[in-house]
Amino acid sequence: SQQGEEDPQALSIQEGENATMNCSYKTSINNLQWYRQNSGRGLVHLILIRSNEREKHSGRLRVTLDTSKKSSSLLITASRAADTASYFCATDVIGRNTPLVFGKGTRLSVIA
Amino acid sequence: DTAVSQTPKYLVTQMGNDKSIKCEQNLGHDTMYWYKQDSKKFLKIMFSYNNKELIINETVPNRFSPKSPDKAHLNLHINSLELGDSAVYFCASSRAAGSFGNTIYFGEGSWLTVV
Repeated sequence: SQQGEEDPQALSIQEGENATMNCSYKTSINNLQWYRQNSGRGLVHLILIRSNEREKHSGRLRVTLDTSKKSSSLLITASRAADTASYFCATDVIGRNTPLVFGKGTRLSVIA
Repeated sequence: DTAVSQTPKYLVTQMGNDKSIKCEQNLGHDTMYWYKQDSKKFLKIMFSYNNKELIINETVPNRFSPKSPDKAHLNLHINSLELGDSAVYFCASSRAAGSFGNTIYFGEGSWLTVV
């Protein structure tokens, strides 16, 4: 069954604005990862946040994790047209030796 | 150098045919996967292999048969193709099995269209 679910499904912003995407999940996790998929391409890993971390930064990306609410957010600051892509959260499941489970993604459009 | 490469990228075939997708990774990873992405972008695990051994088979019809001749290769053969098999199939790899701390590296995808 699906573990992570992103919100919103689609987001359209102007270049220079910040974009925030949210992910909710159902079971306890060891870590949560965000991936990006450009149109017609494979997924690319962006950032991993562990369950004992609350916030992590990488360049213009900021990820937060709230394990009490079972949710995470991905913030992209000062967005660029090149950030246009689908963004997926992926989670593991504590106690299970299974691959990452992906959500359906948020499609971000950054308009120049 | 492409880390995870899969061929073909596009495949259009008729119902009932048999087709294969090949995948190779040059990252030295122990674990490889096949994921299926449907038209709504939902990405679902199909199979996972660790050191050539099948470790995950997620209720995939037995028309789908993965084969791993060595840990750098994982091919997917599909028999008797159906319209519902139309999707994008992603090969991927990771350093180890399981998901704890593992980053997954994806290929560029194989677009399968069954007509």
